[in-house]
Amino acid sequence: EAGVTQFPSHSVIEKGQTVTLRCDPISGHDNLYWYRRVMGKEIKFLLHFVKESKQDESGMPNNRFLAERTGGTYSTLKVQPAELEDSGVYFCASSQGLYYNEQFFGPGTRLTVL
Amino acid sequence: GQQVMQIPQYQHVQEGEDFTTYCNSSTTLSNIQWYKQRPGGHPVFLIQLVKSGEVKKQKRLTFQFGEAKKNSSLHITATQTTDVGTYFCAALSNTGKLIFGQGTTLQVKP
Repeated sequence: EAGVTQFPSHSVIEKGQTVTLRCDPISGHDNLYWYRRVMGKEIKFLLHFVKESKQDESGMPNNRFLAERTGGTYSTLKVQPAELEDSGVYFCASSQGLYYNEQFFGPGTRLTVL
Repeated sequence: GQQVMQIPQYQHVQEGEDFTTYCNSSTTLSNIQWYKQRPGGHPVFLIQLVKSGEVKKQKRLTFQFGEAKKNSSLHITATQTTDVGTYFCAALSNTGKLIFGQGTTLQVKP
């Protein structure tokens, strides 16, 4: 069974530019999560999709971040315009059920904003 | 909002020594999960604890959930170089999101 995949693995952009991250969850997983780890700090929740619906987007930092999951399959996270503090590793995770289930993390996208 | 505090932030041990990381919450947790992230890698699920006072073992790893369900610990006996990485505890909220502790980065000197 294929795991969670993310693209790109690395992205280096300049402040003010736009970047789109993509996540393909494990097939059949309705739950898809985005997390971010900044500068070696804790991993912080960004948002949660159940199929194509946003279940919880309380962790989204501001309106420069836009996440979509059209069709309930893969998801994209767009940052526009990017700021220096957006640098970090963005992880996507998926799970089958909501409660008491492990979340399977993707390899992450390392975003560097210069 | 709910927070999970984890200590220590770093731990350097000699191979063969034991290692423990601790997590605390000011509120009662429904469950707690533990993840390991190898250097340059991604978090990988280790275990989930649900019951008050629960103790689970995986080879040299022992996980505990406090009686009040407000704290948890991970203990590694006789560390090996393969244990290197960052260990995170995470509380699963009632909406399904994980609330991570700050992580403990373990370095093992051979």
